[in-house]
Amino acid sequence: EIVMTQSPATLSVSPGERATLSCRASQGVATNLAWYHQKPGQAPRLLIYGASTRATGVPARFTGSGSGTEFTLTISSLQSEDFGLYYCQQYNNWQTFGQGTKVDI
Amino acid sequence: QLQESGPGLVRPSQTLSLTCSVSGDSITSSHYSWGWVRQPPGQGLEWIGSVNSGRPYATPSLRGRIAMSVDTSKNQFSLNLNSVTATDTAVYFCARSGGLADWYFDIWGRGTLVTVSS
Repeated sequence: EIVMTQSPATLSVSPGERATLSCRASQGVATNLAWYHQKPGQAPRLLIYGASTRATGVPARFTGSGSGTEFTLTISSLQSEDFGLYYCQQYNNWQTFGQGTKVDI
Repeated sequence: QLQESGPGLVRPSQTLSLTCSVSGDSITSSHYSWGWVRQPPGQGLEWIGSVNSGRPYATPSLRGRIAMSVDTSKNQFSLNLNSVTATDTAVYFCARSGGLADWYFDIWGRGTLVTVSS
């Protein structure tokens, strides 16, 4: 099983600041990597797939990058609606999710 | 849209059964897979399994306990997880993903909490 490790566990930022989230795979997954955002009591929302392609309706402030084993999600200017949990998911070999990064104020 | 349904309480050792009703898409489309993801309280996400063109794919750790099926007449797909224990307590989401090379989930149901308890 491919293990996905996200860092940091918690990221404290202020509105308007830049946030950088990391995701590392235990073995290479090419660019078969997605990012999701989840708010309390809600289902996850797809942000990025193919490591860098924004899903429909996702604002341009979200940028995904990386390939192989190292990936990054950057939020250029954090908005109030961006707080919550972020998960990465590899789908190169079955599917596994990271443990999540909590973005809070 | 996707909507999960099923009992919110299951006894230990029994079978957890959930159904996902799909609207706006045909469940027979080969462009999509239909899957299940669960989230134990306060924890992260775990892919359980998916169905593509009627063929099931399950996570290795649960493969011996899972059965998935599709009802094309009702545009629904279902999950059965047998021999449940308290560790199977979770919010269960149904979700849509792409074909066999695109397993990311772009549309999700709201989720349903299933508690395993006597």
